[in-house]
Amino acid sequence: QKEVEQNSGPLSVPEGAIASLNCTYSDRGSQSFFWYRQYSGKSPELIMFIYSNGDKEDGRFTAQLNKASQYVSLLIRDSQPSDSATYLCAVTEGYQKVTFGTGTKLQVIP
Amino acid sequence: GAVVSQHPSWVICKSGTSVKIECRSLDFQATTMFWYRQFPKQSLMLMATSNEGSKATYEQGVEKDKFLINHASLTLSTLTVTSAHPEDSSFYICSARDYATTSGGGNEQFFGPGTRLTVL
Repeated sequence: QKEVEQNSGPLSVPEGAIASLNCTYSDRGSQSFFWYRQYSGKSPELIMFIYSNGDKEDGRFTAQLNKASQYVSLLIRDSQPSDSATYLCAVTEGYQKVTFGTGTKLQVIP
Repeated sequence: GAVVSQHPSWVICKSGTSVKIECRSLDFQATTMFWYRQFPKQSLMLMATSNEGSKATYEQGVEKDKFLINHASLTLSTLTVTSAHPEDSSFYICSARDYATTSGGGNEQFFGPGTRLTVL
C-alpha cells in the first residue's frame, strides 16, 4: 500500500524564520510531488509541485526532492502568521490517483 | 486558470433525505474528478474517482449505492448522498485534473471550495 508520511506537528516557528516541512513516501515509482496548503475549514490549495530531483523555488517557497531517499520537503522563508495552516504532501505515479499525507500543522508565532 | 466550483457550499438536511453536491471545472475540461471527505481534524479521505462517461471507481469501504456519483460531462460531476444520516455529516471536497496543462505533467489536482454537510 502506498504511503505518504508527515509529522502532524504542530510545528511552531517565529515570524520571519524558515519553516521546514518534511514528507516521506513509500512508492519508488512515484513521479510527481505536490504541496498543498489547507486553512482550517477550507479546501486545499496547490502551492507547488516538483518532479525532478533537486530544488524548485517559487517566491518564499522552495520544494526539495530526493528520490533516492524518498523524501520531499517544503521550505518557507520569512514565515508570516498568514502561513499558519496545515500543509499536505501529495504523491502520484503517472496518472494514478494521488496519495495524500495526513498533513503538518504549521504555526507561525508573531 | 484551473478553477473548480462546488455547490452548495453548505447544506443542512434531515436524516433520511438525499443531498446532491455539484462540482464544476470552470475554465478547463476535466476527464477525471475526485471526491473526498474530511472529518474535523482529520486528513482527506478519497471516496471515489469519477471519470467522464463511465462508472466511478470507489475506494474500499465506500458504499457506492449510498454515494452516487455521476460525471455526465467534461465539466460537471455530482455526488448524491442518499438517505443521509448524522454520521454522514462531513466536509465533502471535489477536485479535478487539468490534463491540458503541462506545468505539473497534468497530475496536479485543483480543489473546489468544499461542501459542508450537516445531517440532523
